[in-house]
Amino acid sequence: KNQVEQSPQSLIILEGKNCTLQCNYTVSPFSNLRWYKQDTGRGPVSLTIMTFSENTKSNGRYTATLDADTKQSSLHITASQLSDSASYICVVSDYQLIWGAGTKLIIKP
Amino acid sequence: NAGVTQTPKFRVLKTGQSMTLLCAQDMNHEYMYWYRQDPGMGLRLIHYSVGEGTTAKGEVPDGYNVSRLKKQNFLLGLESAAPSQTSVYFCASSYTGSTDTQYFGPGTRLTVL
Repeated sequence: KNQVEQSPQSLIILEGKNCTLQCNYTVSPFSNLRWYKQDTGRGPVSLTIMTFSENTKSNGRYTATLDADTKQSSLHITASQLSDSASYICVVSDYQLIWGAGTKLIIKP
Repeated sequence: NAGVTQTPKFRVLKTGQSMTLLCAQDMNHEYMYWYRQDPGMGLRLIHYSVGEGTTAKGEVPDGYNVSRLKKQNFLLGLESAAPSQTSVYFCASSYTGSTDTQYFGPGTRLTVL
């Protein structure tokens, strides 16, 4: 069964610190992998998209990595800000979208 | 551009009542989707549309109906609400297929008592 698992479920860090969120998937065949950011009370917003041949993709302080061999992706956030507090969702595509449950990130001042 | 809008933002229903959620997009997207989001779970696709006048079932379609009479609008109906339909409902749209970037509305929080 196609699945996307994210870890940790939740994470609390201090403002200014870095963090890394993990995504493991069993989706096959693989088309692309996206990371979405979902602020509380809002819909998800796309951060990055990666295809099979891409290892790294950056969007400002967000850097996503992909290892298609081990079927793992990570989202690294550098120098966190209070506005980074949100849920981060990993989404993997074969011919449809398989959504992870998300990691809830809280940035404390 | 407003992007994707949803009405209403909140609604409380009693078991057995009916209601319609409205989604509108001004990006001229062909594809539109309805999802539900429940605590601890990923977004689940209810129904989707690949163009005006077309609809198709997603992962969890039971208890819901949809219509896409105009390209910019996608309606989600609950004919006889059940407590299991308590959830947050999101509408999304994309220019091409489901693997394209989807743009989401702000969501509707529905409680069925």
